Amino acid sequence: QKEVEQNSGPLSVPEGAIASLNCTYSDRGSQSFFWYRQYSGKSPELIMFIYSNGDKEDGRFTAQLNKASQYVSLLIRDSQPSDSATYLCAVGPDSNYQLIWGAGTKLIIKP
Amino acid sequence: DVKVTQSSRYLVKRTGEKVFLECVQDMDHENMFWYRQDPGLGLRLIYFSYDVKMKEKGDIPEGYSVSREKKERFSLILESASTNQTSMYLCASRAGGFGELFFGEGSRLTVL
Repeated sequence: QKEVEQNSGPLSVPEGAIASLNCTYSDRGSQSFFWYRQYSGKSPELIMFIYSNGDKEDGRFTAQLNKASQYVSLLIRDSQPSDSATYLCAVGPDSNYQLIWGAGTKLIIKP
Repeated sequence: DVKVTQSSRYLVKRTGEKVFLECVQDMDHENMFWYRQDPGLGLRLIYFSYDVKMKEKGDIPEGYSVSREKKERFSLILESASTNQTSMYLCASRAGGFGELFFGEGSRLTVL
């Protein structure tokens, strides 16, 4: 059974600090890695995707991928209260050419 | 602006009832998906479709069926609802390839 694991949290971070969210996956053949943000009562929306080892930056967000260790991280710099949400990690493709989803990490940014 | 619209945000049904959940996308996407989301379990794929009249089983298809008669519309059907199908149902669409999924607002179904 291929799995994607995330700490459910909640992860509490002071406003202005760096929030670090982690995700591990079991399938070494995985090629695509996505971070989605889901506000309470809303649907997921894409924050970032990464395909290659290393870091990828987009504004205050940085995705980090380490295929050898099978983990992917999302860093949020200068955290804002509006970043409070559940962050979902998704990894693919599986044998059906689909994504496998983690259960999400709830992030709380304290003003 | 891209849009995936789900027909009902909240539904309450009784055990044994037939349930239709409809999803419409306006982005001319080939691929459409139905997921359910339960606390602590993440998103689980029920069915997906690559094209009109095509459907593929996801990870948890039991108790569900789907219909895609038009490119923009993908329906999820619960032939005989059961209490263990109480959940949040999310429709999503994607252009060809393996890119971003666009989600609808979700349909929260309660089966009594």
